[in-house]
Amino acid sequence: EPEVTQTPSHQVTQMGQEVILRCVPISNHLYFYWYRQILGQKVEFLVSFYNNEISEKSEIFDDQFSVERPDGSNFTLKIRSTKLEDSAMYFCASSVGGGAYGYTFGSGTRLTVV
Amino acid sequence: KQEVTQIPAALSVPEGENLVLNCSFTDSAIYNLQWFRQDPGKGLTSLLLIQSSQREQTSGRLNASLDKSSGRSTLYIAASQPGDSATYLCAVHAAGNKLTFGGGTRVLVKP
Repeated sequence: EPEVTQTPSHQVTQMGQEVILRCVPISNHLYFYWYRQILGQKVEFLVSFYNNEISEKSEIFDDQFSVERPDGSNFTLKIRSTKLEDSAMYFCASSVGGGAYGYTFGSGTRLTVV
Repeated sequence: KQEVTQIPAALSVPEGENLVLNCSFTDSAIYNLQWFRQDPGKGLTSLLLIQSSQREQTSGRLNASLDKSSGRSTLYIAASQPGDSATYLCAVHAAGNKLTFGGGTRVLVKP
C-alpha cells in the first residue's frame, strides 16, 4: 500500500535554529498538508498546499513557517527560528482529491527544541 | 468553528469485550469523517472513512456509524484483543480542505 514517508523520524535542535522537515507524499496525490501534535494535545492543522501554492493555513502557521515543493516528489516544512513551544510531532499528509477520499498520514517527525 | 469531542478519554476492558468509542462534532455540514489509530509516539493509521451520505462503514472487526444530523459517530470494535490497545482519533472534514481532530480515546485491552 502506498505510504507517505517522513524524514527524519526525530530531530533535536537548539532554540533559534532553522529546521527543515521532509516528506514524500503518495505519488498520485495532489494535495499536501502539515499537521502538528504537541504532547498530550490534539492534532492541529497547520497548512494545506495545492498546485504549488498554499491553499489554506491556520493561525499557528505564522511567518516563521514556510512550505515548499522543491521537486516533483518532496514536500518540506521549514521553521525559521525555532522556539521551545515548537516542540511537537509534525505529521505530513496527502490526499488525492482534497480529502474527498480521505487523507493518508506519514509516521511523523518528532521535533525537540532545547 | 468546528469542535470535535471524544468520550471517554480513556477506556480499559478485558480481552474479548466489545469496544464502543464515541465522537461528536458541532457543525453537521461535513464532507466525511475518518477514524484513525495512533500507537504511542507513532503516526496516524487510517481505519475507516465514512462519507457524509453514508450511515456506516465496516472493515473486519471494525464498524463505524455516522449520524450527521445529530453530529455523532461511533466506532465499534468487536471482540477486542490486546493488539487493539492504542489511541483512536476521529477527524472531521468540513469547510476548507483540512481535518479537525478530536482529542482521542486511549484504549487498553487487558489479556
